[in-house]
Amino acid sequence: AQTVTQSQPEMSVQEAETVTLSCTYDTSENNYYLFWYKQPPSRQMILVIRQEAYKQQNATENRFSVNFQKAAKSFSLKISDSQLGDTAMYFCAFMGGKLIFGQGTELSVKP
Amino acid sequence: DGGITQSPKYLFRKEGQNVTLSCEQNLNHDAMYWYRQDPGQGLRLIYYSQIVNDFQKGDIAEGYSVSREKKESFPLTVTSAQKNPTAFYLCASSTGTGTYEQYFGPGTRLTVT
Repeated sequence: AQTVTQSQPEMSVQEAETVTLSCTYDTSENNYYLFWYKQPPSRQMILVIRQEAYKQQNATENRFSVNFQKAAKSFSLKISDSQLGDTAMYFCAFMGGKLIFGQGTELSVKP
Repeated sequence: DGGITQSPKYLFRKEGQNVTLSCEQNLNHDAMYWYRQDPGQGLRLIYYSQIVNDFQKGDIAEGYSVSREKKESFPLTVTSAQKNPTAFYLCASSTGTGTYEQYFGPGTRLTVT
């Protein structure tokens, strides 16, 4: 069975600094997708970034980028120039047939 | 505006009563999903539907039922058999199942006392 693990329940970062959120997963599949979702206090789930497993190049979306290490089954999210609006729960998710979520990391951006 | 709507945002029920949560999408997506979120946890799949008039159980289907009579609608009924129904419920949809990314509704907070 696939599993997704986020080992950092809470993190904090100063505004304008960079923070990295960790995620590891376990699967025997070779073709899959990985996602990072953001859940702000409004509780709306928002897709931040996606990565296809067959692509070696790491995905980037503006200030958000990932470090995808397929052999190590690691998928970390880097947020550059952190903003107050980045304060939220962040969920790593694996898609190999159905979407499986990690437990989440609560990120606080401090002014 | 295209999107997913869930109503109501907050729902209160007495123990022993069935309650139905609404989910509507106008994205023309084939697949729809229901998730449950408990405090400090990720989302867990309750039911999903790949096409009209067809649906499958997810990881925690016991005590829940669904229907998919229309492409746009995927209501979830929380029955009295669900032992811990108080939770946040999220509906999602995608173009198809498999590797397609899912888009989420705003959620419904259900409180059963």
